Amino acid sequence: QVQLQESGPGLVKPSETLSLTCTVSGGSISTYHWSWIRQPPGKGLEWIGYLSSSGSTNYNPSLKSRVTISVDPSKNQFSLRLGSLTAADTAIYYCAGGDSPHSFDNWGQGTLGTVSS
Amino acid sequence: QSALTQPASVSGSPGQSITISCTGTSSDVGRYHLVSWYQQHPGKAPKLIIYEGNKRPSGVSNRFSGSKSGNTASLTISGLQAEDEADYYCCSYAGSSTWVFGGGTKLTVL
Repeated sequence: QVQLQESGPGLVKPSETLSLTCTVSGGSISTYHWSWIRQPPGKGLEWIGYLSSSGSTNYNPSLKSRVTISVDPSKNQFSLRLGSLTAADTAIYYCAGGDSPHSFDNWGQGTLGTVSS
Repeated sequence: QSALTQPASVSGSPGQSITISCTGTSSDVGRYHLVSWYQQHPGKAPKLIIYEGNKRPSGVSNRFSGSKSGNTASLTISGLQAEDEADYYCCSYAGSSTWVFGGGTKLTVL
């Protein structure tokens, strides 16, 4: 069973970029499929973007212009960058993934990203 | 890409069965047998309980079952227990390597 851990700054200013990293343990990052998912306080889940086992990416159309997902196989990590932040981007950000791209078997504990000046 | 539609809340008494619906479109739920369901307790990360519409991961109780009819997927919990009280989310593949979640349903065990 793989384990995931998100890390990154908790507070970011409006208009700036949120950068988060997900560290994978218990398995090779290149074996599985990964996604970033977020949850505004008290609200539902929103899929942000996808990283395939082969390294290809795709993003939620509503966020596509502001999102980049990248991978560092040497560190068994993948990352999220979300730019042009507003208060509406304040959320708990989760990394998740597993054997199939169609189900999120394993989740990190989540990290709160707050957008505030 | 619009969020899937779930009831905001459902409730049931211990031992009863409840069903949570998840309505999408012919471009997501209706097109693919790739709906998953997640259980989320307060302050915790979501947990996968159903994948590919009706399959249970190892360790998930057989009281949880999934089904689909047309553009609507459903999660049924039988023999309701106090520990089932949580938020539940559906998620469907929407094509072109994109996924969409439902708005979530709060289950209250009376």
